[in-house]
Amino acid sequence: ILNVEQSPQSLHVQEGDSTNFTCSFPSSNFYALHWYRWETAKSPEALFVMTLNGDEKKKGRISATLNTKEGYSYLYIKGSQPEDSATYLCAFPNTGNQFYFGTGTSLTVIP
Amino acid sequence: NAGVTQTPKFQVLKTGQSMTLQCAQDMNHEYMSWYRQDPGMGLRLIHYSVGAGITDQGEVPNGYNVSRSTTEDFPLRLLSAAPSQTSVYFCASSYSTGVGNTEAFFGQGTRLTVV
Repeated sequence: ILNVEQSPQSLHVQEGDSTNFTCSFPSSNFYALHWYRWETAKSPEALFVMTLNGDEKKKGRISATLNTKEGYSYLYIKGSQPEDSATYLCAFPNTGNQFYFGTGTSLTVIP
Repeated sequence: NAGVTQTPKFQVLKTGQSMTLQCAQDMNHEYMSWYRQDPGMGLRLIHYSVGAGITDQGEVPNGYNVSRSTTEDFPLRLLSAAPSQTSVYFCASSYSTGVGNTEAFFGQGTRLTVV
Protein backbone atom coordinates (compact mmCIF):
# COMPACT_ATOMS: atom_id res chain seq x y z
CA ILE A 1 0.00 0.00 0.00
CA LEU A 2 1.40 3.38 -1.01
CA ASN A 3 0.79 6.75 0.56
CA VAL A 4 -0.53 9.36 -1.80
CA GLU A 5 -1.28 12.45 0.23
CA GLN A 6 -3.15 15.55 -0.76
CA SER A 7 -3.32 18.86 1.05
CA PRO A 8 -5.23 20.73 2.11
CA GLN A 9 -8.24 18.47 2.65
CA SER A 10 -10.61 21.34 1.87
CA LEU A 11 -10.39 24.91 0.72
CA HIS A 12 -12.84 27.80 0.50
CA VAL A 13 -11.85 30.71 -1.72
CA GLN A 14 -13.57 33.80 -3.04
CA GLU A 15 -14.44 34.05 -6.71
CA GLY A 16 -11.46 35.54 -8.54
CA ASP A 17 -8.85 34.25 -6.09
CA SER A 18 -6.07 32.02 -7.29
CA THR A 19 -5.34 28.86 -5.37
CA ASN A 20 -3.15 25.81 -5.37
CA PHE A 21 -2.96 22.42 -3.73
CA THR A 22 -0.46 19.64 -3.38
CA CYS A 23 -0.17 15.94 -4.10
CA SER A 24 2.72 13.99 -2.54
CA PHE A 25 3.68 10.54 -3.78
CA PRO A 26 6.58 8.08 -3.48
CA SER A 27 9.56 9.33 -5.47
CA SER A 28 10.82 5.86 -6.42
CA ASN A 29 9.52 3.76 -9.34
CA PHE A 30 7.71 6.66 -10.94
CA TYR A 31 5.45 5.94 -13.91
CA ALA A 32 3.01 8.83 -14.05
CA LEU A 33 0.91 11.14 -11.93
CA HIS A 34 -2.74 11.78 -12.72
CA TRP A 35 -5.03 14.66 -11.73
CA TYR A 36 -8.82 14.27 -11.82
CA ARG A 37 -11.65 16.66 -11.19
CA TRP A 38 -14.71 15.21 -9.43
CA GLU A 39 -17.93 17.17 -9.27
CA THR A 40 -20.64 16.15 -6.84
CA ALA A 41 -23.00 13.46 -8.22
CA LYS A 42 -20.75 12.93 -11.23
CA SER A 43 -17.80 10.69 -11.95
CA PRO A 44 -14.14 11.75 -11.91
CA GLU A 45 -12.83 13.28 -15.12
CA ALA A 46 -9.17 13.48 -16.11
CA LEU A 47 -7.42 16.83 -16.03
CA PHE A 48 -3.81 15.88 -16.59
CA VAL A 49 -1.54 12.87 -16.91
CA MET A 50 2.04 13.88 -16.18
CA THR A 51 4.99 11.66 -16.91
CA LEU A 52 8.21 13.68 -16.99
CA ASN A 53 10.05 15.43 -14.18
CA GLY A 54 9.59 19.15 -14.62
CA ASP A 55 6.40 18.68 -16.66
CA GLU A 56 4.04 21.60 -16.62
CA LYS A 57 0.58 21.18 -18.14
CA LYS A 58 -2.19 23.70 -18.63
CA LYS A 59 -5.87 23.56 -19.45
CA GLY A 60 -7.53 26.96 -19.43
CA ARG A 61 -7.10 28.47 -15.97
CA ILE A 62 -5.86 25.22 -14.44
CA SER A 63 -2.23 24.16 -14.55
CA ALA A 64 -0.08 21.54 -12.87
CA THR A 65 3.60 20.97 -12.23
CA LEU A 66 5.51 17.82 -11.42
CA ASN A 67 8.65 17.08 -9.41
CA THR A 68 9.36 13.35 -9.53
CA LYS A 69 12.66 13.57 -7.64
CA GLU A 70 11.06 14.97 -4.52
CA GLY A 71 7.68 13.33 -5.08
CA TYR A 72 5.16 16.14 -5.39
CA SER A 73 2.84 17.81 -7.85
CA TYR A 74 1.04 21.12 -7.56
CA LEU A 75 -2.30 22.00 -9.12
CA TYR A 76 -2.98 25.70 -9.64
CA ILE A 77 -6.26 27.41 -10.43
CA LYS A 78 -6.02 31.02 -11.55
CA GLY A 79 -8.99 33.32 -10.97
CA SER A 80 -11.26 30.69 -9.40
CA GLN A 81 -14.87 30.58 -10.59
CA PRO A 82 -17.87 28.93 -8.87
CA GLU A 83 -17.87 26.24 -11.55
CA ASP A 84 -14.39 25.20 -10.36
CA SER A 85 -15.99 23.93 -7.14
CA ALA A 86 -15.22 20.22 -7.05
CA THR A 87 -12.94 17.67 -5.44
CA TYR A 88 -9.54 17.38 -7.09
CA LEU A 89 -7.94 13.96 -6.93
CA CYS A 90 -4.44 12.84 -7.73
CA ALA A 91 -3.52 9.23 -8.53
CA PHE A 92 -0.20 7.43 -8.63
CA PRO A 93 0.06 4.22 -10.69
CA ASN A 94 2.43 1.93 -8.87
CA THR A 95 3.90 -0.70 -11.23
CA GLY A 96 1.96 1.12 -13.93
CA ASN A 97 -1.24 -0.82 -13.26
CA GLN A 98 -2.12 -0.39 -9.59
CA PHE A 99 -3.51 3.08 -9.06
CA TYR A 100 -3.42 4.69 -5.62
CA PHE A 101 -5.60 7.75 -5.17
CA GLY A 102 -5.23 10.52 -2.65
CA THR A 103 -8.25 11.50 -0.55
CA GLY A 104 -8.66 14.67 -2.58
CA THR A 105 -8.86 18.40 -2.01
CA SER A 106 -12.41 19.73 -1.85
CA LEU A 107 -12.57 23.22 -3.35
CA THR A 108 -15.49 25.57 -2.79
CA VAL A 109 -15.49 28.86 -4.68
CA ILE A 110 -17.72 31.44 -3.05
CA PRO A 111 -19.41 33.86 -5.48
CA ASN B 1 -20.27 7.43 -27.60
CA ALA B 2 -21.31 5.63 -24.41
CA GLY B 3 -17.86 5.45 -22.74
CA VAL B 4 -18.02 3.41 -19.52
CA THR B 5 -21.45 2.17 -18.51
CA GLN B 6 -22.16 0.84 -15.05
CA THR B 7 -25.34 -0.82 -13.86
CA PRO B 8 -27.21 -0.62 -11.59
CA LYS B 9 -26.93 2.94 -10.24
CA PHE B 10 -28.39 2.01 -6.86
CA GLN B 11 -28.79 -1.31 -5.06
CA VAL B 12 -29.85 -2.47 -1.61
CA LEU B 13 -28.82 -5.96 -0.57
CA LYS B 14 -29.42 -8.04 2.50
CA THR B 15 -26.43 -9.50 4.30
CA GLY B 16 -25.44 -12.77 2.64
CA GLN B 17 -27.02 -12.03 -0.73
CA SER B 18 -24.96 -12.10 -3.89
CA MET B 19 -24.99 -9.75 -6.82
CA THR B 20 -23.00 -8.64 -9.83
CA LEU B 21 -22.18 -5.06 -10.70
CA GLN B 22 -21.89 -4.68 -14.44
CA CYS B 23 -19.33 -2.57 -16.28
CA ALA B 24 -18.98 -2.20 -20.01
CA GLN B 25 -16.82 0.08 -22.15
CA ASP B 26 -16.94 0.72 -25.88
CA MET B 27 -13.54 2.37 -26.32
CA ASN B 28 -11.55 -0.85 -26.90
CA HIS B 29 -9.53 -0.17 -23.75
CA GLU B 30 -7.26 -2.93 -22.51
CA TYR B 31 -7.16 -1.78 -18.88
CA MET B 32 -10.25 -1.95 -16.69
CA SER B 33 -10.57 -1.59 -12.95
CA TRP B 34 -12.98 -1.42 -10.02
CA TYR B 35 -12.75 1.02 -7.11
CA ARG B 36 -14.72 1.64 -3.98
CA GLN B 37 -15.23 5.07 -2.46
CA ASP B 38 -15.80 5.36 1.27
CA PRO B 39 -16.18 8.56 3.35
CA GLY B 40 -12.83 10.05 4.29
CA MET B 41 -10.92 7.70 2.04
CA GLY B 42 -9.66 7.97 -1.49
CA LEU B 43 -10.76 5.68 -4.26
CA ARG B 44 -9.36 2.25 -3.43
CA LEU B 45 -8.57 -0.30 -6.11
CA ILE B 46 -10.42 -3.61 -5.73
CA HIS B 47 -9.42 -5.57 -8.83
CA TYR B 48 -8.04 -4.72 -12.23
CA SER B 49 -7.53 -6.33 -15.61
CA VAL B 50 -4.94 -5.65 -18.29
CA GLY B 51 -6.80 -7.56 -20.98
CA ALA B 52 -9.31 -10.30 -21.68
CA GLY B 53 -8.58 -13.35 -19.56
CA ILE B 54 -6.21 -11.50 -17.19
CA THR B 55 -7.21 -10.14 -13.79
CA ASP B 56 -5.32 -9.22 -10.66
CA GLN B 57 -5.99 -8.02 -7.14
CA GLY B 58 -5.81 -4.44 -6.05
CA GLU B 59 -5.59 -2.92 -2.59
CA VAL B 60 -8.90 -4.24 -1.17
CA PRO B 61 -9.89 -7.45 -3.03
CA ASN B 62 -11.41 -9.50 -0.20
CA GLY B 63 -15.09 -10.35 -0.70
CA TYR B 64 -15.04 -9.57 -4.43
CA ASN B 65 -14.50 -11.64 -7.57
CA VAL B 66 -13.97 -10.48 -11.12
CA SER B 67 -13.61 -12.01 -14.56
CA ARG B 68 -12.77 -10.58 -17.98
CA SER B 69 -14.05 -12.78 -20.77
CA THR B 70 -14.22 -9.96 -23.32
CA THR B 71 -12.40 -6.67 -23.81
CA GLU B 72 -15.64 -4.77 -23.29
CA ASP B 73 -16.98 -6.22 -20.02
CA PHE B 74 -15.59 -6.41 -16.51
CA PRO B 75 -18.23 -7.49 -13.95
CA LEU B 76 -17.65 -7.33 -10.20
CA ARG B 77 -19.26 -10.06 -8.08
CA LEU B 78 -20.11 -9.92 -4.42
CA LEU B 79 -20.62 -13.55 -3.40
CA SER B 80 -21.96 -12.96 0.11
CA ALA B 81 -22.60 -9.31 0.82
CA ALA B 82 -21.56 -7.83 4.15
CA PRO B 83 -22.41 -4.43 5.67
CA SER B 84 -18.72 -3.50 5.31
CA GLN B 85 -19.25 -3.58 1.55
CA THR B 86 -21.67 -0.66 1.71
CA SER B 87 -19.94 1.83 -0.53
CA VAL B 88 -19.97 3.62 -3.87
CA TYR B 89 -18.36 1.55 -6.59
CA PHE B 90 -16.72 2.94 -9.70
CA CYS B 91 -15.56 1.13 -12.78
CA ALA B 92 -12.84 2.72 -14.92
CA SER B 93 -11.02 1.95 -18.13
CA SER B 94 -7.97 3.27 -19.90
CA TYR B 95 -6.03 2.56 -23.05
CA SER B 96 -2.58 1.57 -21.93
CA THR B 97 -1.35 -1.07 -19.53
CA GLY B 98 1.88 -1.36 -17.62
CA VAL B 99 2.94 2.29 -17.73
CA GLY B 100 -0.08 4.12 -16.31
CA ASN B 101 0.35 7.00 -18.68
CA THR B 102 -3.14 7.32 -20.16
CA GLU B 103 -6.16 8.86 -18.50
CA ALA B 104 -8.86 6.76 -16.93
CA PHE B 105 -12.51 7.07 -17.92
CA PHE B 106 -14.96 6.41 -15.11
CA GLY B 107 -18.47 5.06 -15.05
CA GLN B 108 -21.26 6.87 -13.21
CA GLY B 109 -20.91 4.79 -10.08
CA THR B 110 -23.09 2.29 -8.20
CA ARG B 111 -24.28 3.14 -4.70
CA LEU B 112 -24.58 -0.13 -2.81
CA THR B 113 -26.12 -0.50 0.63
CA VAL B 114 -25.92 -3.80 2.50
CA VAL B 115 -28.36 -4.11 5.39
